Amino acid sequence: DAEITQSPRHKITETGRQVTLACHQTWNHNNMFWYRQDLGHGLRLIHYSYGVHDTNKGEVSDGYSVSRSNTEDLPLTLESAASSQTSVYFCASSGGLSNSPLHFGNGTRLTVT
Amino acid sequence: AQRVTQPEKLLSVFKGAPVELKCNYSYSGSPELFWYVQYSRQRLQLLLRHISRESIKGFTADLNKGETSFHLKKPFAQEEDSAMYYCALRGGGSNYKLTFGKGTLLTVNP
Repeated sequence: DAEITQSPRHKITETGRQVTLACHQTWNHNNMFWYRQDLGHGLRLIHYSYGVHDTNKGEVSDGYSVSRSNTEDLPLTLESAASSQTSVYFCASSGGLSNSPLHFGNGTRLTVT
Repeated sequence: AQRVTQPEKLLSVFKGAPVELKCNYSYSGSPELFWYVQYSRQRLQLLLRHISRESIKGFTADLNKGETSFHLKKPFAQEEDSAMYYCALRGGGSNYKLTFGKGTLLTVNP
């Protein structure tokens, strides 16, 4: 069955370190998204991609970057981790139809100390 | 700009009681609306979408363009409905990204 997987599930890092969160999907979806989930803020879009070599900023993109070198993967990089980036990160993908639902990964819980 | 408002952070009801989770949106065009649910320790999953006009697990939601609302309803709540519920909006055309509300945590008490 097609799926979307995130790794690691949990990560603890120190302030200032570079961190990369992986997202891999086997749906063959063109659209991929990264969200962060925080209490009181819900889900906020960080970056998204509509295809290989396409990346776009979401509403909370500062301090994050993504790259899309193939259809399956959209890694999220925190250039210099900050305590404000402690959160749960969700990757999602969707197909090309306008009413296609998002398929979410299990999430990565990141703690920046 | 697109915006989704879920006015209730927390909602607590008793088993068998009706439940309504409110969602209001702001969007200048014709939006597509969705409800997503996150059960404890599980990933977010689609519950229903307005375009399908379906009932899933007893839940329904009607898009009211006049009131810009997409409230989620269920006539008789079950304990297994306890979860976090998110309303989400997608703009039309080739805009595939979803804007989510802040979520409502529903607790159904026995």
